[in-house]
Amino acid sequence: DAMVIQNPRYQVTQFGKPVTLSCSQTLNHNVMYWYQQKSSQAPKLLFHYYDKDFNNEADTPDNFQSRRPNTSFCFLDIRSPGLGDAAMYLCATSRSPLDNEKLFFGSGTQLSVL
Amino acid sequence: GNSVTQMEGPVTLSEEAFLTINCTYTATGYPSLFWYVQYPGEGLQLLLKATKADDKGSNKGFEATYRKETTSFHLEKGSVQVSDSAVYFCALRKEAGSYQLTFGKGTKLSVIP
Repeated sequence: DAMVIQNPRYQVTQFGKPVTLSCSQTLNHNVMYWYQQKSSQAPKLLFHYYDKDFNNEADTPDNFQSRRPNTSFCFLDIRSPGLGDAAMYLCATSRSPLDNEKLFFGSGTQLSVL
Repeated sequence: GNSVTQMEGPVTLSEEAFLTINCTYTATGYPSLFWYVQYPGEGLQLLLKATKADDKGSNKGFEATYRKETTSFHLEKGSVQVSDSAVYFCALRKEAGSYQLTFGKGTKLSVIP
């Protein structure tokens, strides 16, 4: 019944080694978001896709990229992870940006960088 | 810029105790305000919302009133249960049509039998 699915639940990578996190949805929502949540901090929006249109937040580091090959899937690529990138990464969807308070979140991927 | 400040956690209560989690915000204009809940091992989910001053959002016994004069949106519940143990996030959306949600840091609630 899970509607927003993130895999894996836990991901360990090495310093500087590229890593990809995945998110899929069965809701057919137009908008998909990626949030970064560091320990004891608020979730922070990195970017979102509205259909195929990519919208990057101004303060998202270039190290973070995203791909959305189709409606159902969205990927977060971290090109060269640093120790400071260790965090929970949350994927979310909404039908449109206009009703984005009704976000559907996945359970997140906890990324560790060694 | 916009910001949301929540009371520091963790908060530990006995079952049937009264709960208040404070939330204040800074924003221009007329933001919409939300409370999200994150149960262990799950994603965030919308708990309640209020879109204009003096609105009261309510769900599952939780309530919060949009107070523009004090820029607050405190979450309350009269009698908590063990199943309410979770992390609670206050959030705001600056204006209708904006995709950007600003979250607080979250407050962890533990309810003990």
